[in-house]
Amino acid sequence: GIQVEQSPPDLILQEGANSTLRCNFSDSVNNLQWFHQNPWGQLINLFYIPSGTKQNGRLSATTVATERYSLLYISSSQTTDSGVYFCAVKGGGADGLTFGKGTHLIIQP
Amino acid sequence: NAGVMQNPRHLVRRRGQEARLRCSPMKGHSHVYWYRQLPEEGLKFMVYLQKENIIDESGMPKERFSAEFPKEGPSILRIQQVVRGDSAAYFCASSPPRTAGNTIYFGEGSWLTVV
Repeated sequence: GIQVEQSPPDLILQEGANSTLRCNFSDSVNNLQWFHQNPWGQLINLFYIPSGTKQNGRLSATTVATERYSLLYISSSQTTDSGVYFCAVKGGGADGLTFGKGTHLIIQP
Repeated sequence: NAGVMQNPRHLVRRRGQEARLRCSPMKGHSHVYWYRQLPEEGLKFMVYLQKENIIDESGMPKERFSAEFPKEGPSILRIQQVVRGDSAAYFCASSPPRTAGNTIYFGEGSWLTVV
């Protein structure tokens, strides 16, 4: 099946810093989503982005489908951005999303 | 428009008991997915259902686990004779009738603890 690798696995930043999270995938995809799992375990949709670039406030994402990677940018980090960021993809004939292991982000005040 | 609704949010079961987790998809969504998240890991696909049909159960353990999505009512994930290793968060997701590429929306999860 398709493989998803996220980097870095852990990231500790000060409030106000910017960050870039990366997601590499091993095959063509027809669905790519970024999620934020907050410290209470809730899974929040950030972007549906199988290709192209999208922005939502301080967050933006870019997927270069031909090179099989996606980037999530977080600008002016806030403590509420802390949590785990997951990239998940679906490709070929698969029915379910395949998740990466996530990037654990801690924003310190 | 309510999101994907899961209940219970937290469930404690003794070893050998049964656990039933319920999921109501978003309005207008006819596709339901179940995922499991073990501690400190990403989510793993378990099963994909449409009304009255299991489409893909390739991620389901072969024994003790079953899922259904009846014509009326929520989708149910059933775990019989639970063991400690079943302790995990179980997430349900839903999507509209399948067209090329649809956002999949997740519920808030059900946390199962087996003691």
